Amino acid sequence: EADIYQTPRYLVIGTGKKITLECSQTMGHDKMYWYQQDPGMELHLIHYSYGVNSTEKGDLSSESTVSRIRTEHFPLTLESARPSHTSQYLCASSEPGTSGRETQYFGPGTRLLVL
Amino acid sequence: AQSVSQHNHHVILSEAASLELGCNYSYGGTVNLFWYVQYPGQHLQLLLKYFSGDPLVKGIKGFEAEFIKSKFSFNLRKPSVQWSDTAEYFCAVMDYKLSFGAGTTVTVRA
Repeated sequence: EADIYQTPRYLVIGTGKKITLECSQTMGHDKMYWYQQDPGMELHLIHYSYGVNSTEKGDLSSESTVSRIRTEHFPLTLESARPSHTSQYLCASSEPGTSGRETQYFGPGTRLLVL
Repeated sequence: AQSVSQHNHHVILSEAASLELGCNYSYGGTVNLFWYVQYPGQHLQLLLKYFSGDPLVKGIKGFEAEFIKSKFSFNLRKPSVQWSDTAEYFCAVMDYKLSFGAGTTVTVRA
């Protein structure tokens, strides 16, 4: 199972601030993902990466951006936070496998509150 | 992408009761199926997964799930729950991407 770290775990910030949510994994997984989850709702994929210098947008439109300069690091940035960005953000990575048979492992999440 | 339905939003039961959580997905073809659990204050953890083979899959902590292809279902079961099974349970289906259900909150009363 992957060790995935997310910081901060909780963040309260004012509107207009720039924030970066950190995600790191120690297993050398090429594929990494960011999900957004509101209480009582399903997870929605907002970004994914298949490796260094690869980033793609997911199904849910998001004003955030991501980068993948190193295999183990997949940060998510919001240039100007707004109350509508309040949510929980989950990072995941998946071990190598036949397409569709990769198991995703999740970090503890960051709960973001934008005032 | 798949649409994943979890039948119950909140289930409350007593210790030693049996648990069954329903999960249906929207269309056939080759799919890979997962159940994840999130205990209070903890991160999402994999309970079990199905890729192929025996449609009855056993996972951790005494959970099992049955894949019924004709019904597009992957229901989760546990014969006798414990207070520590209180958590939120998510069904997920992967074809070209991983799609999640909305989750079922399970509360086990001691």
